[in-house]
Amino acid sequence: ILNVEQSPQSLHVQEGDSTNFTCSFPSSNFYALHWYRWETAKSPEALFVMTLNGDEKKKGRISATLNTKEGYSYLYIKGSQPEDSATYLCAPLAGGNNRLAFGKGNQVVVIP
Amino acid sequence: EAQVTQNPRYLITVTGKKLTVTCSQNMNHEYMSWYRQDPGLGLRQIYYSMNVEVTDKGDVPEGYKVSRKEKRNFPLILESPSPNQTSLYFCASSFTAAGELFFGEGSRLTVL
Repeated sequence: ILNVEQSPQSLHVQEGDSTNFTCSFPSSNFYALHWYRWETAKSPEALFVMTLNGDEKKKGRISATLNTKEGYSYLYIKGSQPEDSATYLCAPLAGGNNRLAFGKGNQVVVIP
Repeated sequence: EAQVTQNPRYLITVTGKKLTVTCSQNMNHEYMSWYRQDPGLGLRQIYYSMNVEVTDKGDVPEGYKVSRKEKRNFPLILESPSPNQTSLYFCASSFTAAGELFFGEGSRLTVL
């Protein structure tokens, strides 16, 4: 089982502020890194699938970067809005493995 | 509409009474997987399937069975449920093990 650490576990952000959080994972044998957004009472939805070192992806005000050599990914939310309140899950996939390993998530609450 | 459908969405049952949670996807995905979500823990994989008649254990397979007789269906079977299987269960599918997962709406199971 891959050891996946997401920090901080939870954070409160004022509407309009930008924020970021971290996903750390073993760098050896890396294959892919997924980010999912999980709103309360809904099911997780994919945000990004990243595979290349230095990769940067963007969807609206949310973006992510990937460093496979040191084993981390950052997720950024620019100008947070109340609808960004959710738990953000990261899940790396090791090469030769068929299973994503989910972190416990970063719970974000945006305060109006 | 592309979707993953789970049934039942909610179930209260008693210890030892066999139950099946169905999962069906209409996207022709080869990869399907079951997860459970418990407070304070990340999504933990129970079983997964790479294709028809190909299934394998995830991180927490004890007390569960699965089958994959058809590509679209991947039922989760609890032969003799116990209270520690009280949880929120998600089925998910994707084209490949590395591809973005599409989640069902979740099934909340309570075992008394």
